Amino acid sequence: DAMVIQNPRYQVTQFGKPVTLSCSQTLNHNVMYWYQQKSSQAPKLLFHYYDKDFNNEADTPDNFQSRRPNTSFCFLDIRSPGLGDAAMYLCATSRHGQGADTQYFGPGTRLTVL
Amino acid sequence: DQQVKQNSPSLSVQEGRISILNCDYTNSMFDYFLWYKKYPAEGPTFLISISSIKDKNEDGRFTVFLNKSAKHLSLHIVPSQPGDSAVYFCAATYSNAGGTSYGKLTFGQGTILTVHP
Repeated sequence: DAMVIQNPRYQVTQFGKPVTLSCSQTLNHNVMYWYQQKSSQAPKLLFHYYDKDFNNEADTPDNFQSRRPNTSFCFLDIRSPGLGDAAMYLCATSRHGQGADTQYFGPGTRLTVL
Repeated sequence: DQQVKQNSPSLSVQEGRISILNCDYTNSMFDYFLWYKKYPAEGPTFLISISSIKDKNEDGRFTVFLNKSAKHLSLHIVPSQPGDSAVYFCAATYSNAGGTSYGKLTFGQGTILTVHP
């Protein structure tokens, strides 16, 4: 049974048109993460939530926002997608957010920007 | 500045032989290292990890070696099986991270392993 679910799996949007990616988890984990992975590159952390405490990485563009309305759900909002935002977006969770905690990943959403 | 590097984009191995995947890091503050495996159309899944207080950790066919002085780790798969064909990511973190770090993983670019029957 899927533990970290991402919807949609594939998203196509137009340049500048806002888009929202969704992540949900059945693990009841405290921490949720969003990573961006461009082709042949390392996944890169955008931000994470510890419960409702939001933490932005220093180099995450302002164009990216996130919401976590409850423990189970987390959303990634891209306010004005550019061509350079085309990537795989991975959601992950961990129980306590300690470094040794295993992170559980969803299957990802592949975003295409036309 | 890429703090975790996997310099081999791909590796091809015959079934039954050993696969060795390599990873280098630059940040000496990292003290916990992980390998994740990713099949197409799936998210990365945790494979094996090692703390910096150890130099070796073994789990079945998978062994991770850590050389702290060289800031290098490697994953050995013996014997390799066709089902091991996947992308392998090396990642590093701080084991006692809390506060704003909350287990942040720094990943390498990945190595595509192909195991031929």
